[in-house]
Amino acid sequence: GAVVSQHPSRVICKSGTSVKIECRSLDFQATTMFWYRQFPKKSLMLMATSNEGSKATYEQGVEKDKFLINHASLTLSTLTVTSAHPEDSSFYICSASRDEEQFFGPGTRLTVL
Amino acid sequence: GESVGLHLPTLSVQEGDNSIINCAYSNSASDYFIWYKQESGKGPQFIIDIRSNMDKRQGQRVTVLLNKTVKHLSLQIAATQPGDSAVYFCAENMAPPGGYQKVTFGTGTKLQVIP
Repeated sequence: GAVVSQHPSRVICKSGTSVKIECRSLDFQATTMFWYRQFPKKSLMLMATSNEGSKATYEQGVEKDKFLINHASLTLSTLTVTSAHPEDSSFYICSASRDEEQFFGPGTRLTVL
Repeated sequence: GESVGLHLPTLSVQEGDNSIINCAYSNSASDYFIWYKQESGKGPQFIIDIRSNMDKRQGQRVTVLLNKTVKHLSLQIAATQPGDSAVYFCAENMAPPGGYQKVTFGTGTKLQVIP
């Protein structure tokens, strides 16, 4: 099956700093990747759709200047949480689309102190 | 707005018994549904999917049933094992007109298997 990786798996940062999370499709090319956020014991909430070569499409209520997405290549999308605050602490999960299927990464646990 | 949701937040079953996890959806235009399993601290893992032109689909130990009349989806796990303990999400995969395909997740059901 298709494999999607995320890096880092865990990150702890100070309030006010920026954090970059990478999402890679390891064995296939993905023109579309997705970023989700998940709070403890809650469902995944789609934040944005990342398209290679074009601007990301953000869901309603998601600040695009806060969560910067760059789909640099067909195998890499990055999510940068800018000026992170404790309320940004969450589990961030990406997925990569191949045909109709989505393959999910293992997630990144962000803790903002 | 339209959404996908689950009836039961937590389900406890004895090892060896069958498990049934339910899901209600409200978007009658949905035509593709997926069940995911998520273990603690990990990303969702695909279990099985079904299209709206089907009522039932079987995999290894898992069966998904779709009732379009009442907009209900269920996941049946046969002979539940401790390794099945996880949170299960139903999800709706759709491409809105002129838009990109995306997956909308339901609220999730935690399955606890009692040894």
